[in-house]
Amino acid sequence: AQSVTQLGSHVSVSEGALVLLRCNYSSSVPPYLFWYVQYPNQGLQLLLKYTSAATLVKGINGFEAEFKKSETSFHLTKPSAHMSDAAEYFCAVSVTNTGNQFYFGTGTSLTVIP
Amino acid sequence: DAEITQSPRHKITETGRQVTLACHQTWNHNNMFWYRQDLGHGLRLIHYSYGVQDTNKGEVSDGYSVSRSNTEDLPLTLESAASSQTSVYFCASSPGLAGGSTQYFGPGTRLTVL
Repeated sequence: AQSVTQLGSHVSVSEGALVLLRCNYSSSVPPYLFWYVQYPNQGLQLLLKYTSAATLVKGINGFEAEFKKSETSFHLTKPSAHMSDAAEYFCAVSVTNTGNQFYFGTGTSLTVIP
Repeated sequence: DAEITQSPRHKITETGRQVTLACHQTWNHNNMFWYRQDLGHGLRLIHYSYGVQDTNKGEVSDGYSVSRSNTEDLPLTLESAASSQTSVYFCASSPGLAGGSTQYFGPGTRLTVL
């Protein structure tokens, strides 16, 4: 079975500081991994995804994530936080043998302090 | 531009009433999904469809039903609304069955059951 754990339901960073949002997954087969962002009262928007090509994945808005098989992790980072990054972030895992079903983490709310 | 829309965006109903939430996508995607979002639970899969006349139960399907009569629409019906079904509901679609196929989300419907 597949599952995702996001450590830290709330993360606060100062504007200009490093953003690090943690995601660990559990999967018995090679996973596909996704990060989505949700702004208030909106749907989820894809930030980036890992599909077994390069382990370091670059996404929109300056975010990137690194797939580490040995640590079963896919942490999301951004070198310098902007006020506009304040949002809810979700990590999700999918595997081919379950069709296109996604398993989501419980989300991390990012606050950016001016 | 292709998009996925949901209606209504907000709905208040009473316990025991039947409620239908609409989801319409113009991408011509075969796959469509319904999720509910609750604090502390992230997104949980209710029902999904891989094509016309195909429907499948997800993790939290009790009390919900869907039907797929065309490619564009997957309405979600609450047969007899309960207060436990107060939530934000998201519809999503994706083009392929491979695990790496991105899901695209609608803006959500906030449902309150009194």
